[in-house]
Amino acid sequence: EAGVTQFPSHSVIEKGQTVTLRCDPISGHDNLYWYRRVMGKEIKFLLHFVKESKQDESGMPNNRFLAERTGGTYSTLKVQPAELEDSGVYFCASSQELGSGEKLFFGSGTQLSVL
Amino acid sequence: RKEVEQDPGPFNVPEGATVAFNCTYSNSASQSFFWYRQDCRKEPKLLMSVYSSGNEDGRFTAQLNRASQYISLLIRDSKLSDSATYLCVVTRTSNTGKLIFGQGTTLQVKP
Repeated sequence: EAGVTQFPSHSVIEKGQTVTLRCDPISGHDNLYWYRRVMGKEIKFLLHFVKESKQDESGMPNNRFLAERTGGTYSTLKVQPAELEDSGVYFCASSQELGSGEKLFFGSGTQLSVL
Repeated sequence: RKEVEQDPGPFNVPEGATVAFNCTYSNSASQSFFWYRQDCRKEPKLLMSVYSSGNEDGRFTAQLNRASQYISLLIRDSKLSDSATYLCVVTRTSNTGKLIFGQGTTLQVKP
């Protein structure tokens, strides 16, 4: 069974450009999460989808970030316009049930570098 | 103050050593507790859940002290393959995938 896949694995863009990250959760997983780790800091929660609905977006840094999950399958996270402080690793995770940390499966992340 | 605090290390130990990591959390209402492992440039993976009664999985033992808001991980007979970053993770409520991570403790096991 395929795990959580993220694309691209790396992205290098200039400040002010737009970048879209994609996450394909494990098939059948209704819950999809985005997390981010910026340099020198801990991994932080961004938001949680249940199917196509945003359940919790309390971790989204600002309105330059837009997450979507049309159809309740894959999700995209768009950053527009990107700023230097957006650099970091963006992780996606999915789970079948609304469980706790033992039920989450993480993707390998997208390394975003904003120059 | 960070909600989950860990000593970032690095901890450099020889093969076969016993090493202990500690973690404190500030929210006394935290519900669930975990240790995750993250290899270099890889995703975090669940190592083990942590319970007040303590739990053991092979060479790994985790302990939770709710009164002191303290979580520990003990690794016995360290292997080279144990080299990684160990992340202390809590949740504020039960049945949630909204995880609160510590910054991680880096372990390097040397031959």
